[in-house]
Amino acid sequence: SRVLTQPPSMSVAPGETATIACGGNNDGSKSVHWYRQKPGQAPVLVIYYDSDRPSGIPERISGSKSGNTATLTISRVEAGDEADYYCQVWETSGVVFGGGTRLTVL
Amino acid sequence: EEQLVESGGGLVQPGGSLRLSCAASGFTISRNYMSWVRQAPGEGLQWVSVIYSGGDTDYAASVKGRFTISRDTSKDTVFLQMNNVRTEDTAIYFCARVTGPWLAEYYFDLWGKGTLVTVAS
Repeated sequence: SRVLTQPPSMSVAPGETATIACGGNNDGSKSVHWYRQKPGQAPVLVIYYDSDRPSGIPERISGSKSGNTATLTISRVEAGDEADYYCQVWETSGVVFGGGTRLTVL
Repeated sequence: EEQLVESGGGLVQPGGSLRLSCAASGFTISRNYMSWVRQAPGEGLQWVSVIYSGGDTDYAASVKGRFTISRDTSKDTVFLQMNNVRTEDTAIYFCARVTGPWLAEYYFDLWGKGTLVTVAS
């Protein structure tokens, strides 16, 4: 089955840019979606179809994909961005989530 | 406002059964695909099951044959019947709405707050 690989953690200073990669053993044909989960809360969709933003998600959060690697970019990082971030694809065999990346704002 | 509210979690012994519920409001579940996703303590997200608008279902290999997803469209409620539970089923169980034009594009656009299931003797 597919495996989506994310860095377990990363730290960024306020105002800097956080880039979270999601690598998979796939051909890149599947859309990648991203979720943000703050402690004790449910996940929230932040990017769908590789790069689209739901209403209410600021423009400084963006997504992209090249080959079999998707990337979530958070520009001008704020304290409120501190959370776990997960990528996701839907396969014919079921849903696959990345292992998650804990973003710490220094 | 569209909302999902889970209930039914609690403490259950290994080998026992539990039935989770997910009440939807603000939209009709019969026109949507609905899913369960779980998160073990300190771990990441793991997909559990989905029920499609036509009633077809699908399961993760780890729960297939033990869990059953169903729905009551008259009450806009989705259920997860958990049988023969194991300690590794301990997790917060989230109900989520699925959207997208076809399978390769599906994602979860609405989540409930979750209900905690603890499997222990």
